Amino acid sequence: ETGVTQSPTHLIKTRGQQVTLRCSSQSGHNTVSWYQQALGQGPQFIFQYYREEENGRGNFPPRFSGLQFPNYSSELNVNALELDDSALYLCASSWGLEGNEQFFGPGTRLTVL
Amino acid sequence: AQSVTQPDIHITVSEGASLELRCNYSYGATPYLFWYVQSPGQGLQLLLKYFSGDTLVQGIKGFEAEFKRSQSSFNLRKPSVHWSDAAEYFCAVGALVGGSYIPTFGRGTSLIVHP
Repeated sequence: ETGVTQSPTHLIKTRGQQVTLRCSSQSGHNTVSWYQQALGQGPQFIFQYYREEENGRGNFPPRFSGLQFPNYSSELNVNALELDDSALYLCASSWGLEGNEQFFGPGTRLTVL
Repeated sequence: AQSVTQPDIHITVSEGASLELRCNYSYGATPYLFWYVQSPGQGLQLLLKYFSGDTLVQGIKGFEAEFKRSQSSFNLRKPSVHWSDAAEYFCAVGALVGGSYIPTFGRGTSLIVHP
């Protein structure tokens, strides 16, 4: 059973650019959630996708967008990058919606200069 | 809105000593509570969760937590710490979002283990 994988591991961008982060969910999981973890903070919920539809969203602006594909892998897109977007971005997959355990990937470290 | 407070930013213990990490939550209804651990370069791993029932919850790696509604607390304990337990620990309260319980995390407690 393959766990949650994320790519790339690290990424450096400049302010104003756009970035795409990728996540492959664990086998059999149909739900993907994305989190932003700033340095020294706990993760903050960005949004969740369930069966290719956005199922819920945290307090993040529309320049944070996502996709989920038929194989349940997912992308997080961030437009018009700002310095404060520098963080560890975590992806978590789970089965269904009813409180089932989320399995986290190792994250993508994004640095915005 | 729900929130979690972890009052200790760092905790230092000696290997073999007991451990208690504090967590206080704010939530209007019966909370769903979680403890996660994050090691350097790793994603978060669920240690244990409380949804209902017995207020003393057993988790993986020898950890347990006790839900105390009167104190709005969900403290994590381990009777004997191992050097491999050094990591960041996050308490979280689950809020219902789109039919799913999404964790709202505290800022974490860094556990340092001395030999």
